[in-house]
Amino acid sequence: DIQMTQSPSSLSASVGDRVTITCRASQAISNYLAWYQEKPGKVPKLLMYAIDTLQSGVPSRFSGSGSGTEFNLTIRSLQPEDVSTYYCLKYNTAPYIFGQGTKLEIK
Amino acid sequence: EMQLVESGGGLVQPGGSLRLSCAASGFTFSSYEMHWVRQAPGKGLEWVSYISIRGDTVYYSDSVRGRFSVSRDNAKNSLYLQMNNLRAEDTALYYCARGDLPDGFDIWGQGTMVTVSS
Repeated sequence: DIQMTQSPSSLSASVGDRVTITCRASQAISNYLAWYQEKPGKVPKLLMYAIDTLQSGVPSRFSGSGSGTEFNLTIRSLQPEDVSTYYCLKYNTAPYIFGQGTKLEIK
Repeated sequence: EMQLVESGGGLVQPGGSLRLSCAASGFTFSSYEMHWVRQAPGKGLEWVSYISIRGDTVYYSDSVRGRFSVSRDNAKNSLYLQMNNLRAEDTALYYCARGDLPDGFDIWGQGTMVTVSS
């Protein structure tokens, strides 16, 4: 089975910083890579799908990129409300695999 | 409003069974693939199961295969997860999620908590 490795596992950055989270697949996957934001006690929220398509209502400071085996979620200018745990998801076919998560905090 | 509402969680002893339900509203349930995803306390998200639109294709994670069974009733706009031979490691918040290509798991319920403990 394909493995998804997400890094870093935690990250501390300042308001206004550019932040990048990476998800690496053990073998090339199709374009079906999504990113989710999870706040404590809340339901995971879809941010990005098909690598780089922004879900409706998500701020444009979020962007996705990558291909093949390496994918990135970038927050252009970090805001206090972006404090969350972020997960990637490979969803082209079973098994569907989430990354281990990246906990993002504000310095 | 498109919505998914899970129910059926609770406290169960190891080796016991539980059936979760997920009621869909606000969209054409019969047109979408569906998934179950779980999250153990303090842990990350784990995909559990998939069911196709007509229910004729199902997939499971290695951790639940042979113990869990997913089904759906499109006439009732409902998704189910029958969980047998439950283990302590099955303790988690269980979400149902709508699956779609290329959108991914785009709608999630609020989750229902399953606790396996003696």
